[in-house]
Amino acid sequence: AQSVTQPDIHITVSEGASLELRCNYSYGATPYLFWYVQSPGQGLQLLLKYFSGDTLVQGIKGFEAEFKRSQSSFNLRKPSVHWSDAAEYFCAVVPMFSGGYNKLIFGAGTRLAVHP
Amino acid sequence: DGGITQSPKYLFRKEGQNVTLSCEQNLNHDAMYWYRQDPGQGLRLIYYSQIVNDFQKGDIAEGYSVSREKKESFPLTVTSAQKNPTAFYLCASSPGAIAKNIQYFGAGTRLSVL
Repeated sequence: AQSVTQPDIHITVSEGASLELRCNYSYGATPYLFWYVQSPGQGLQLLLKYFSGDTLVQGIKGFEAEFKRSQSSFNLRKPSVHWSDAAEYFCAVVPMFSGGYNKLIFGAGTRLAVHP
Repeated sequence: DGGITQSPKYLFRKEGQNVTLSCEQNLNHDAMYWYRQDPGQGLRLIYYSQIVNDFQKGDIAEGYSVSREKKESFPLTVTSAQKNPTAFYLCASSPGAIAKNIQYFGAGTRLSVL
């Protein structure tokens, strides 16, 4: 079945440590790929996106993500986490053949906690 | 400031009652969307509209209804047929509905049942 998987429900890191959030997708053709962040009780903010080209994409707030076609993955990374990064992170895709509109399919999310 | 405004922030529904969630955007976007968010399930699409006076069902449309009479407005009604309405509801918009258009989100409405 076509899906987006975020294997880690919760992750806790110490402030200043590096971070990697995993995302895998199962679609025949490479979809368009997105990472969104949600602070508690708030809407979603786009961190970065991948459509084509360079497989390492830079986003806002110091985040980056790497697309790996062979692993069907689009993992989010940050070299040094700040306490303000504590939030829920969603990986999302728009399948290449989505019926003519940009249907976003979301993973279940990864909740990030940051220890001081 | 351009953006998407959802109101109210919190809403309570009594048994058998219909309630309407408001979504207004001043981004001049053609496409608008409604999502439902439940803990541990990510977001699921309820309805979307690619243009004024047109809308389509998403993955979980049962028990919900929408209208799109104006470009800037896309209200969602949670009807009494929706037996489990407690959730966080998010509205989004995008310039158009083709695949590369980024969706921008409002701050959400939390609906609870009394």
